[in-house]
Amino acid sequence: DVKVTQSSRYLVKRTGEKVFLECVQDMDHENMFWYRQDPGLGLRLIYFSYDVKMKEKGDIPEGYSVSREKKERFSLILESASTNQTSMYLCASSLPLAGGDQPQHFGDGTRLSIL
Amino acid sequence: AQKITQTQPGMFVQEKEAVTLDCTYDTSDPSYGLFWYKQPSSGEMIFLIYQGSYDQQNATEGRYSLNFQKARKSANLVISASQLGDSAMYFCAMRDYTRSGSARQLTFGSGTQLTVLP
Repeated sequence: DVKVTQSSRYLVKRTGEKVFLECVQDMDHENMFWYRQDPGLGLRLIYFSYDVKMKEKGDIPEGYSVSREKKERFSLILESASTNQTSMYLCASSLPLAGGDQPQHFGDGTRLSIL
Repeated sequence: AQKITQTQPGMFVQEKEAVTLDCTYDTSDPSYGLFWYKQPSSGEMIFLIYQGSYDQQNATEGRYSLNFQKARKSANLVISASQLGDSAMYFCAMRDYTRSGSARQLTFGSGTQLTVLP
């Protein structure tokens, strides 16, 4: 089974801090994704990566950056955390879409609170 | 404009009954894919079922089936013989294009909270 592991289930940070959310997958998937989930809004894509050192903006990239130095690890960075970034963050991975739609496999999520 | 619409914020169903969760979508792409995910209260997202736009038959996976009506642009999830463990948030998603148009992503609906009553 695919395992996607997020480093923290719960995280509390202060406004202005630099925050790192880490995600590791063990299935050698090329694609990795970061979403945020807010009530009534579903999941919204922040960034995704389709290869090492490759990244593409999703629907809401403002205030975030990402890093993918190794295939199995995809990091989400809040450069200067703000209270409106309090949310549930979900990481996912998948095989490439070429050849058919591939389901995304998700981690358990990180509930991030910015005080 | 919303690309995936789930109009039922919350649904209740009696144990062992069937339930239909609605999903409509909007796309001009002739080739697309539709997914359903389940999110229990613990938070993890679980892939349930997939339907491709060119698939001739409705997708089925155990107690889950997808009622795909292409002309109406709907992809409703049907859960037969509901169980208490089916209580969760359910998300419909569609393969979509990124802002740049060069790659594909999933766009999710706002979800339906299903509660199965004993």
